[in-house]
Amino acid sequence: ETGVTQTPRHLVMGMTNKKSLKCEQHLGHNAMYWYKQSAKKPLELMFVYNFKEQTENNSVPSRFSPECPNSSHLFLHLHTLQPEDSALYLCASSQVGQVLNSNQPQHFGDGTRLSIL
Amino acid sequence: ELKVEQNPLFLSMQEGKNYTIYCNYSTTSDRLYWYRQDPGKSLESLFVLLSNGAVKQEGRLMASLDTKARLSTLHITAAVHDLSATYFCAVPRSYNTDKLIFGTGTRLQVFP
Repeated sequence: ETGVTQTPRHLVMGMTNKKSLKCEQHLGHNAMYWYKQSAKKPLELMFVYNFKEQTENNSVPSRFSPECPNSSHLFLHLHTLQPEDSALYLCASSQVGQVLNSNQPQHFGDGTRLSIL
Repeated sequence: ELKVEQNPLFLSMQEGKNYTIYCNYSTTSDRLYWYRQDPGKSLESLFVLLSNGAVKQEGRLMASLDTKARLSTLHITAAVHDLSATYFCAVPRSYNTDKLIFGTGTRLQVFP
């Protein structure tokens, strides 16, 4: 099993569809993250869950809805997306202490390439 | 607002040559991360720099951190084609946080 697994790898959807992205980590980490990677823009942090509690949503539009049922799984629910939401969505996990900094890097999945028609 | 800037944004270099990628950030930070991304692939962790003056080396890559200058460098020695990728630096938004701000990335292309 690879460390962080994302499904699906590719997703094409219309603006009125509802879909979900899934992320699973097999590293025993206690924090998980969603990032958006668009062409010619830096990686953008969307959501953070530490110890299963959401601590950040970074002003993400409500058409993106995260869910973290346990420390190993993270979902990103999508509905009524816009063309500008087409991007690579990356999930990551890490092990953080009580003060939330970490001497360890975040481990990334391979991403879901999302295309909005 | 924390800004993380890398330069150059694109680097085309010949095999066997040396070069340095720079990462500047706008606020104080005690740590910095370097990642590599191949086209269509995930981000792979290269280095974690945890203190001022930290230097780490792996193969042909060497990274350093100067927290006073708010600068990290990634030095490439005797480049080979396999190093062709996009390199990102990332800095925590503030102390005691796991929320990272990424640089724009440096796309490295090594040719024979």
